[in-house]
Amino acid sequence: TQLLEQSPQFLSIQEGENLTVYCNSSSVFSSLQWYRQEPGEGPVLLVTVVTGGEVKKLKRLTFQFGDARKDSSLHITAAQPGDTGLYLCAGATRSGGGADGLTFGKGTHLIIQP
Amino acid sequence: DAMVIQNPRYQVTQFGKPVTLSCSQTLNHNVMYWYQQKSSQAPKLLFHYYDKDFNNEADTPDNFQSRRPNTSFCFLDIRSPGLGDTAMYLCATSSGSGLMRANYGYTFGSGTRLTVV
Repeated sequence: TQLLEQSPQFLSIQEGENLTVYCNSSSVFSSLQWYRQEPGEGPVLLVTVVTGGEVKKLKRLTFQFGDARKDSSLHITAAQPGDTGLYLCAGATRSGGGADGLTFGKGTHLIIQP
Repeated sequence: DAMVIQNPRYQVTQFGKPVTLSCSQTLNHNVMYWYQQKSSQAPKLLFHYYDKDFNNEADTPDNFQSRRPNTSFCFLDIRSPGLGDTAMYLCATSSGSGLMRANYGYTFGSGTRLTVV
């Protein structure tokens, strides 16, 4: 069973601060995806990282895939109240045509206070 | 806009009374997934369809069934809901084949919040 551990589980910070969310596993993933989920809604894909060491930027969000493709991080610069939500990382595995659903972490509940 | 639509958004059902949740997509994606997400937990894959091929997760209870009559629609049937089945049920789609399918990312619907009383 592949597990993805996210930390921290809960984070409440002031507007303008920086933060980093971590996603770790002992398993190797072919890709890692980050989603943001608002209350009562489905997750929305933010980014997919595929190559070990890859860094992708989405405005104030920076995503990194570990060199060994076992971990990933999400860094938010100058957080804003609109960044509030549940951030989920999800790992995809190589599949020989069988079930290939994503393995999700439990998520990080982020609250940005004005 | 192309999207994944789930109905209903909220559903309350009685213990043991069969319930069906629906999902439709306009993306023409060949893969459709059903996830269960309980409060403060990660989404858990129940099963998925690759075209018409059904793939069940090993730990999905027999109480949960699915139908995909065509590319656009997929249904989740819970034959005898228990209190522990109260959760958000998420439908997702993806396209491509094999590894690339996983790397494309999934498009999720807004979910159906099911409450069993």
